[in-house]
Amino acid sequence: GENVEQHPSTLSVQEGDSAVIKCTYSDSASNYFPWYKQELGKRPQLIIDIRSNVGEKKDQRIAVTLNKTAKHFSLHITETQPEDSAVYFCAAKKADDYKLSFGAGTTVTVRA
Amino acid sequence: DSGVTQTPKHLITATGQRVTLRCSPRSGDLSVYWYQQSLDQGLQFLIQYYNGEERAKGNILERFSAQQFPDLHSELNLSSLELGDSALYFCASSEYTSGRVGEQFFGPGTRLTVL
Repeated sequence: GENVEQHPSTLSVQEGDSAVIKCTYSDSASNYFPWYKQELGKRPQLIIDIRSNVGEKKDQRIAVTLNKTAKHFSLHITETQPEDSAVYFCAAKKADDYKLSFGAGTTVTVRA
Repeated sequence: DSGVTQTPKHLITATGQRVTLRCSPRSGDLSVYWYQQSLDQGLQFLIQYYNGEERAKGNILERFSAQQFPDLHSELNLSSLELGDSALYFCASSEYTSGRVGEQFFGPGTRLTVL
């Protein structure tokens, strides 16, 4: 099955700085890569996703890049704010598969 | 609010007992997924149903079982509970099954505590 590795496991940044989280996947057949944000005690919520036919996608302060050759994708958060503090999960899905394979998560702390 | 509902919110029980967690997907979603999230752990996929049929199995223990009913709600049954089963159990739903991609919408979760 698909194996998704996520780094770093924890990330502390100063408010206003950028945060970058990286994920690698094992199966070249994966074609869908969502990112979920989970605030403490709450449900995971999709914040951005990218399909394999696109190299980069941006939505305001967040962006995701995909390198299919290297089989890795990254989440970039610019101008971080305290409300960006949360656990972020990357995931990957193969075209013929029924499920998402999640990374282990990154706990992001934005210091005021 | 994602539109996915889960009951109960909290459940406290003893080792060896059996519990049932319930999930109602978003209106129109045919796929239901169950995940387990232990303390400081990621999301472990358990099982997926699509329109009443089991479609994928993950790291689900034999003591656990699930089903999806004709009205599309799903139940996750956990039996012979052990201390290590204490976790947050999430249900998610999506419009799609394999071959297509789309967002999975997560419910608020059921926090299970086994004493």
